[in-house]
Amino acid sequence: QVDLVESGGGGVQPGGSLRLSCAASGFTFSDYSMHWVRQAPGKGLEWVAALSFDGTNKYYADSVKGRFTISRDSSKNTLFLQMNSLRTEDTATYYCARGGWQTPEYEPFDFWGQGTMVTVSS
Amino acid sequence: DIQMTQSPSTLSASVGDSVTITCRASQSISDWLAWYQQKPGKAPKLLIYKAPFLEAGVPSRFSGSGSGTEFTLTISSLQPDDFATYYCQQYTSYPWTFGQGTKVEVK
Repeated sequence: QVDLVESGGGGVQPGGSLRLSCAASGFTFSDYSMHWVRQAPGKGLEWVAALSFDGTNKYYADSVKGRFTISRDSSKNTLFLQMNSLRTEDTATYYCARGGWQTPEYEPFDFWGQGTMVTVSS
Repeated sequence: DIQMTQSPSTLSASVGDSVTITCRASQSISDWLAWYQQKPGKAPKLLIYKAPFLEAGVPSRFSGSGSGTEFTLTISSLQPDDFATYYCQQYTSYPWTFGQGTKVEVK
Protein backbone atom coordinates (compact mmCIF):
# COMPACT_ATOMS: atom_id res chain seq x y z
CA GLN A 1 0.00 0.00 0.00
CA VAL A 2 1.09 3.56 -0.64
CA ASP A 3 2.71 5.21 2.34
CA LEU A 4 4.17 8.70 2.72
CA VAL A 5 5.99 9.63 5.91
CA GLU A 6 7.16 13.20 6.53
CA SER A 7 9.90 14.20 8.92
CA GLY A 8 12.15 17.13 9.70
CA GLY A 9 9.69 19.53 11.22
CA GLY A 10 10.35 21.44 14.41
CA GLY A 11 10.85 24.86 15.89
CA VAL A 12 13.03 27.48 14.26
CA GLN A 13 13.59 31.20 14.62
CA PRO A 14 12.58 33.66 11.91
CA GLY A 15 15.23 33.73 9.20
CA GLY A 16 16.25 30.17 9.92
CA SER A 17 16.17 27.05 7.77
CA LEU A 18 14.68 23.58 7.87
CA ARG A 19 14.73 20.62 5.52
CA LEU A 20 11.67 18.44 5.37
CA SER A 21 11.74 14.89 4.05
CA CYS A 22 8.99 12.62 2.78
CA ALA A 23 9.80 8.91 2.55
CA ALA A 24 7.64 7.12 0.00
CA SER A 25 6.84 3.43 -0.29
CA GLY A 26 4.32 1.13 -1.91
CA PHE A 27 4.58 2.57 -5.42
CA THR A 28 7.18 3.38 -8.05
CA PHE A 29 8.25 6.74 -6.68
CA SER A 30 10.23 7.70 -9.79
CA ASP A 31 7.07 7.53 -11.92
CA TYR A 32 5.06 10.13 -10.03
CA SER A 33 5.02 13.86 -9.53
CA MET A 34 4.91 14.99 -5.93
CA HIS A 35 3.58 17.98 -4.00
CA TRP A 36 3.97 19.78 -0.70
CA VAL A 37 0.85 21.27 0.84
CA ARG A 38 0.69 23.16 4.14
CA GLN A 39 -1.97 24.05 6.64
CA ALA A 40 -1.52 26.81 9.19
CA PRO A 41 -3.11 26.12 12.60
CA GLY A 42 -6.89 26.33 12.29
CA LYS A 43 -6.70 27.34 8.62
CA GLY A 44 -7.27 25.77 5.23
CA LEU A 45 -5.01 23.97 2.80
CA GLU A 46 -2.38 25.85 0.81
CA TRP A 47 -0.44 24.25 -2.01
CA VAL A 48 3.28 25.03 -1.63
CA ALA A 49 5.37 23.28 -4.29
CA ALA A 50 5.35 20.55 -6.91
CA LEU A 51 7.96 18.49 -8.69
CA SER A 52 7.68 16.41 -11.83
CA PHE A 53 8.50 12.72 -11.78
CA ASP A 54 12.02 13.24 -13.10
CA GLY A 55 12.78 16.35 -11.09
CA THR A 56 13.11 18.63 -14.10
CA ASN A 57 10.00 20.76 -13.61
CA LYS A 58 9.50 22.60 -10.34
CA TYR A 59 6.56 24.77 -9.35
CA TYR A 60 6.20 27.09 -6.35
CA ALA A 61 3.52 29.16 -4.72
CA ASP A 62 4.31 32.88 -4.84
CA SER A 63 4.42 32.91 -1.04
CA VAL A 64 7.49 30.66 -0.96
CA LYS A 65 9.18 31.34 -4.30
CA GLY A 66 12.86 32.13 -3.87
CA ARG A 67 12.92 30.78 -0.31
CA PHE A 68 11.86 27.12 -0.64
CA THR A 69 13.33 24.44 -2.89
CA ILE A 70 11.67 21.15 -3.75
CA SER A 71 13.79 18.19 -4.79
CA ARG A 72 13.77 14.43 -4.85
CA ASP A 73 16.16 11.49 -4.57
CA SER A 74 14.52 8.65 -6.45
CA SER A 75 17.30 6.25 -5.43
CA LYS A 76 16.07 6.73 -1.86
CA ASN A 77 12.36 7.21 -2.68
CA THR A 78 12.44 10.51 -0.84
CA LEU A 79 11.01 13.97 -1.50
CA PHE A 80 12.54 17.03 0.12
CA LEU A 81 11.57 20.61 0.87
CA GLN A 82 14.43 22.93 1.77
CA MET A 83 12.99 25.94 3.55
CA ASN A 84 15.19 29.02 3.98
CA SER A 85 14.53 32.52 5.28
CA LEU A 86 11.59 31.21 7.28
CA ARG A 87 8.91 33.61 8.43
CA THR A 88 6.34 33.38 11.19
CA GLU A 89 3.65 32.96 8.53
CA ASP A 90 5.33 29.72 7.40
CA THR A 91 4.17 28.10 10.64
CA ALA A 92 2.04 25.15 9.54
CA THR A 93 1.72 21.43 9.22
CA TYR A 94 3.43 20.40 6.00
CA TYR A 95 2.05 17.46 4.05
CA CYS A 96 3.59 15.67 1.11
CA ALA A 97 1.14 14.29 -1.40
CA ARG A 98 1.36 12.14 -4.49
CA GLY A 99 0.42 13.80 -7.73
CA GLY A 100 -0.03 12.47 -11.20
CA TRP A 101 1.83 9.79 -13.08
CA GLN A 102 4.81 11.66 -14.55
CA THR A 103 3.12 15.06 -14.83
CA PRO A 104 1.66 17.07 -11.93
CA GLU A 105 -0.99 18.67 -14.09
CA TYR A 106 -4.51 17.30 -14.43
CA GLU A 107 -4.21 14.86 -11.55
CA PRO A 108 -5.54 15.16 -7.99
CA PHE A 109 -3.51 14.42 -4.89
CA ASP A 110 -4.46 10.84 -4.23
CA PHE A 111 -2.27 9.94 -1.26
CA TRP A 112 -1.07 12.15 1.59
CA GLY A 113 1.38 11.76 4.42
CA GLN A 114 0.46 12.41 8.05
CA GLY A 115 2.21 15.76 8.08
CA THR A 116 5.08 17.36 9.98
CA MET A 117 4.70 20.53 12.03
CA VAL A 118 6.92 23.55 11.45
CA THR A 119 6.85 26.37 13.99
CA VAL A 120 8.63 29.62 13.20
CA SER A 121 8.85 31.79 16.28
CA SER A 122 11.30 33.94 18.15
CA ASP B 1 -4.52 32.32 -10.22
CA ILE B 2 -7.84 30.49 -10.11
CA GLN B 3 -9.78 31.27 -6.95
CA MET B 4 -12.00 28.59 -5.43
CA THR B 5 -14.91 29.67 -3.24
CA GLN B 6 -16.89 27.23 -1.15
CA SER B 7 -20.26 27.72 0.51
CA PRO B 8 -21.31 27.48 3.18
CA SER B 9 -18.31 27.78 5.48
CA THR B 10 -20.12 25.79 8.14
CA LEU B 11 -23.04 23.43 7.78
CA SER B 12 -24.99 22.03 10.74
CA ALA B 13 -26.75 18.74 10.07
CA SER B 14 -28.00 15.56 11.67
CA VAL B 15 -27.30 11.91 10.93
CA GLY B 16 -29.43 10.86 7.98
CA ASP B 17 -29.65 14.33 6.44
CA SER B 18 -28.72 15.00 2.83
CA VAL B 19 -26.22 17.85 2.59
CA THR B 20 -24.78 19.77 -0.34
CA ILE B 21 -21.64 21.87 -0.51
CA THR B 22 -21.02 24.25 -3.39
CA CYS B 23 -17.67 25.20 -4.91
CA ARG B 24 -17.22 27.96 -7.47
CA ALA B 25 -14.15 28.60 -9.58
CA SER B 26 -13.16 32.10 -10.70
CA GLN B 27 -12.76 30.80 -14.25
CA SER B 28 -13.65 27.64 -16.10
CA ILE B 29 -11.76 24.54 -14.97
CA SER B 30 -13.75 22.08 -17.09
CA ASP B 31 -14.17 19.11 -14.73
CA TRP B 32 -10.69 19.17 -13.14
CA LEU B 33 -12.14 19.37 -9.67
CA ALA B 34 -11.45 17.23 -6.62
CA TRP B 35 -13.06 17.00 -3.21
CA TYR B 36 -11.17 16.08 -0.04
CA GLN B 37 -12.34 15.19 3.45
CA GLN B 38 -10.26 16.13 6.46
CA LYS B 39 -10.79 15.17 10.07
CA PRO B 40 -9.08 16.98 12.97
CA GLY B 41 -5.41 16.10 13.27
CA LYS B 42 -5.49 13.98 10.13
CA ALA B 43 -4.34 14.37 6.56
CA PRO B 44 -6.86 15.17 3.84
CA LYS B 45 -8.35 12.21 2.02
CA LEU B 46 -9.33 12.25 -1.65
CA LEU B 47 -13.03 11.56 -2.10
CA ILE B 48 -13.94 12.61 -5.62
CA TYR B 49 -11.92 13.57 -8.69
CA LYS B 50 -12.66 14.90 -12.16
CA ALA B 51 -15.90 16.25 -10.70
CA PRO B 52 -18.07 13.13 -10.50
CA PHE B 53 -15.69 10.20 -10.06
CA LEU B 54 -15.55 8.47 -6.70
CA GLU B 55 -12.13 7.44 -5.40
CA ALA B 56 -11.85 3.72 -4.67
CA GLY B 57 -13.29 2.78 -1.31
CA VAL B 58 -15.34 5.94 -0.86
CA PRO B 59 -18.96 5.22 0.09
CA SER B 60 -21.55 5.77 -2.62
CA ARG B 61 -23.46 8.24 -0.45
CA PHE B 62 -20.87 10.76 -1.63
CA SER B 63 -21.43 12.24 -5.07
CA GLY B 64 -20.02 15.12 -7.05
CA SER B 65 -21.29 17.05 -10.00
CA GLY B 66 -20.66 20.14 -12.07
CA SER B 67 -18.39 21.49 -14.74
CA GLY B 68 -16.99 24.82 -15.80
CA THR B 69 -17.19 27.05 -12.76
CA GLU B 70 -19.82 25.53 -10.48
CA PHE B 71 -19.59 22.25 -8.63
CA THR B 72 -21.35 20.45 -5.80
CA LEU B 73 -20.54 17.72 -3.31
CA THR B 74 -23.56 15.89 -1.94
CA ILE B 75 -23.66 13.47 0.96
CA SER B 76 -26.96 11.66 0.55
CA SER B 77 -27.45 10.27 4.07
CA LEU B 78 -25.02 11.74 6.54
CA GLN B 79 -23.28 9.20 8.75
CA PRO B 80 -21.46 9.84 12.06
CA ASP B 81 -18.12 9.34 10.29
CA ASP B 82 -18.91 12.13 7.82
CA PHE B 83 -18.66 15.03 10.27
CA ALA B 84 -15.48 16.65 9.01
CA THR B 85 -14.18 19.52 6.90
CA TYR B 86 -14.44 19.29 3.13
CA TYR B 87 -12.24 21.07 0.60
CA CYS B 88 -12.58 21.46 -3.15
CA GLN B 89 -9.48 21.83 -5.29
CA GLN B 90 -8.86 22.73 -8.88
CA TYR B 91 -6.03 20.87 -10.56
CA THR B 92 -6.26 22.18 -14.08
CA SER B 93 -3.32 24.48 -13.80
CA TYR B 94 -0.49 25.74 -11.66
CA PRO B 95 -0.86 27.01 -9.02
CA TRP B 96 -3.15 24.33 -7.64
CA THR B 97 -5.73 25.99 -5.40
CA PHE B 98 -8.15 24.88 -2.71
CA GLY B 99 -11.41 26.28 -1.46
CA GLN B 100 -11.42 27.64 2.06
CA GLY B 101 -13.21 24.58 3.41
CA THR B 102 -16.68 23.66 4.66
CA LYS B 103 -17.05 22.26 8.14
CA VAL B 104 -19.92 19.81 8.51
CA GLU B 105 -20.87 19.78 12.18
CA VAL B 106 -23.44 18.09 14.35
CA LYS B 107 -26.68 20.01 14.60
